Amino acid sequence: EIPMIQFPSSVSASVGGTVTITCRAPQSIARWLAWYQHKPGKAPKMLIYDASTLKSGVPSRFSGSGFGTEFSLTISNLRPEDVGTYYCQQSDNFPLTFGGGTKVEIK
Amino acid sequence: QVQLVESGGGLVKSGGSLRLTCKTSGFIFSHYYMGWVRQAPGKGLDYVSYIGSSSGFKNYADSVEGRFTISRDNTKNLVYLEMNSLRAEDTGLYYCARGRDYTNSSAYNWFDSWGQGILVTVSS
Repeated sequence: EIPMIQFPSSVSASVGGTVTITCRAPQSIARWLAWYQHKPGKAPKMLIYDASTLKSGVPSRFSGSGFGTEFSLTISNLRPEDVGTYYCQQSDNFPLTFGGGTKVEIK
Repeated sequence: QVQLVESGGGLVKSGGSLRLTCKTSGFIFSHYYMGWVRQAPGKGLDYVSYIGSSSGFKNYADSVEGRFTISRDNTKNLVYLEMNSLRAEDTGLYYCARGRDYTNSSAYNWFDSWGQGILVTVSS
């Protein structure tokens, strides 16, 4: 199993600000990483796959980067509707594993 | 549009069994791998199980291996999760999620559509 280490566990920024979340793998997973947004009471929503490919319909203020063992999700121009918990997920090896999550709040 | 609707959850005693069903629509079900992901109260997302498009591949988290069984019916566009020997730590919201499209060579094992989830509560 590949445990995904995600940090910080929570972060806050002002509306219009920028937030960066990091996910680390103990071994290379190439570009096989996805990012999800989860709001309470809602279904999780995929934002990014292949580490940096934005899913169709997702606002361009979301961006992903990284390869191998370190990855990041950046939310630019933070909006109130971006509040929620964000998770990374590796899809290189089974069992699939998620990071512990990062709660994003507005300052 | 893609729809995934879970059912079959509820309250069960420790050691008991439940079968979850995910009813799907809006896509060619037989092309896609399908999975189950859960969220314990106050915790994060936790992978449970994954099944190939024709049931030839099945995978489980270590925590459920030997107790849970995933299956699917491509004639009815349904995916199931049979849960036996349930424990208190299996309590949570269970999500059905769509995985890779085997006909797309560039697709990989992420979950691009999710259901709203169904609650499973195991009492000790």
